[in-house]
Amino acid sequence: GQNIDQPTEMTATEGAIVQINCTYQTSGFNGLFWYQQHAGEAPTFLSYNVLDGLEEKGRFSSFLSRSKGYSYLLLKELQMKDSASYLCALVDGDYKLSFGAGTTVTVRA
Amino acid sequence: GAVVSQHPSWVICKSGTSVKIECRSLDFQATTMFWYRQFPKQSLMLMATSNEGSKATYEQGVEKDKFLINHASLTLSTLTVTSAHPEDSSFYICSARSDGLAGVMRFEVTQYFGPGTRLLVL
Repeated sequence: GQNIDQPTEMTATEGAIVQINCTYQTSGFNGLFWYQQHAGEAPTFLSYNVLDGLEEKGRFSSFLSRSKGYSYLLLKELQMKDSASYLCALVDGDYKLSFGAGTTVTVRA
Repeated sequence: GAVVSQHPSWVICKSGTSVKIECRSLDFQATTMFWYRQFPKQSLMLMATSNEGSKATYEQGVEKDKFLINHASLTLSTLTVTSAHPEDSSFYICSARSDGLAGVMRFEVTQYFGPGTRLLVL
């Protein structure tokens, strides 16, 4: 099975940087996704990491360390529209997704 | 990117009735579809995995006789909530993945999510 941990809530001000950590334990690993989910909507894809290192995509970056069972999502130059839930999701050995509980990010003016 | 639709987006029904939710892949062949359920302020929980032309595989704790899944074609999967009760009220989301077709063993990683169906059982 999988065990995925991420903080429940984070608050930051507009223009700031926020880092959302995700730690995991799994018996099979085929990568890790980060999704953004606004209230009442389906998740939307942000990033996918399968190799160690940092993947940068505009204001969002994602990092993975397989040996440490650790990933983070970095959100830079925060905007009000970034207020959402951010889900860490593991791809297991059967290529199924297991989701963390999600981190609710609130961006304040 | 690939597009997945769900219908209906909202449904309100009386307790005891059955509700069918459709999930369609619009521009690709979905050999595998997944059904998730999400309660308020909780994450997505996988209910079942369905492969075209075969029986769905249900996750532990999900009643297969209550949540009927049919994946009759490469573009359509349906979830029927039978004899719905208020505790079944939730946000149901499907996702689709295009793995290898007949004879080709290949697993894609990316799942494309539908917009979700909000079910309210009175």
